[in-house]
Amino acid sequence: SQQGEEDPQALSIQEGENATMNCSYKTSINNLQWYRQNSGRGLVHLILIRSNEREKHSGRLRVTLDTSKKSSSLLITASRAADTASYFCATVSSGSARQLTFGSGTQLTVLP
Amino acid sequence: GAGVSQSPSNKVTEKGKDVELRCDPISGHTALYWYRQSLGQGLEFLIYFQGNSAPDKSGLPSDRFSAERTGGSVSTLTIQRTQQEDSAVYLCASRAIGGGGTEAFFGQGTRLTVV
Repeated sequence: SQQGEEDPQALSIQEGENATMNCSYKTSINNLQWYRQNSGRGLVHLILIRSNEREKHSGRLRVTLDTSKKSSSLLITASRAADTASYFCATVSSGSARQLTFGSGTQLTVLP
Repeated sequence: GAGVSQSPSNKVTEKGKDVELRCDPISGHTALYWYRQSLGQGLEFLIYFQGNSAPDKSGLPSDRFSAERTGGSVSTLTIQRTQQEDSAVYLCASRAIGGGGTEAFFGQGTRLTVV
């Protein structure tokens, strides 16, 4: 079953604008990760935030985590046409199971 | 190898035939995951291996689906008596298990088409 749910399902913005995607999850986690997918094939890891962290930055990416609300957001600043892709959040469950569960994804389109 | 390798990259099979999909993870990665993705959809979890054992098989859609992993390395996903609804991209990922959290590395997937 899909634990993470992203919103919006689709987002279209102009180049240079910021894009914000949200993710909600249901169970206790060890960490939360964001991935990017082009052309419906392999996913590429973008950023990981641990359950004891609240915010993390990597280049133009900023991710936040609110464990009390079981939610995370991914912000891409100064978007480029090349950022057009599907973005997925994934949670790693706490405990020994270490299941990696993906959400349904946000399709981001950046218009030149 | 340098990354996760999946084979074949594309497979067209007739309805009712069996297929085997292979995943060769990154050396040393103890966790291995299989997912299925239909066109324009999210990743549907199928099965997770930790070493050679599968603590979570809850995502396998039916008893036509099975998977194994040997030597803590290569994994094979087998679909018996394929149906048209099995058509999808099958993705494999591997991950090192670390206390601080580690990223998953994905293969390029196998696109399965059942005709």
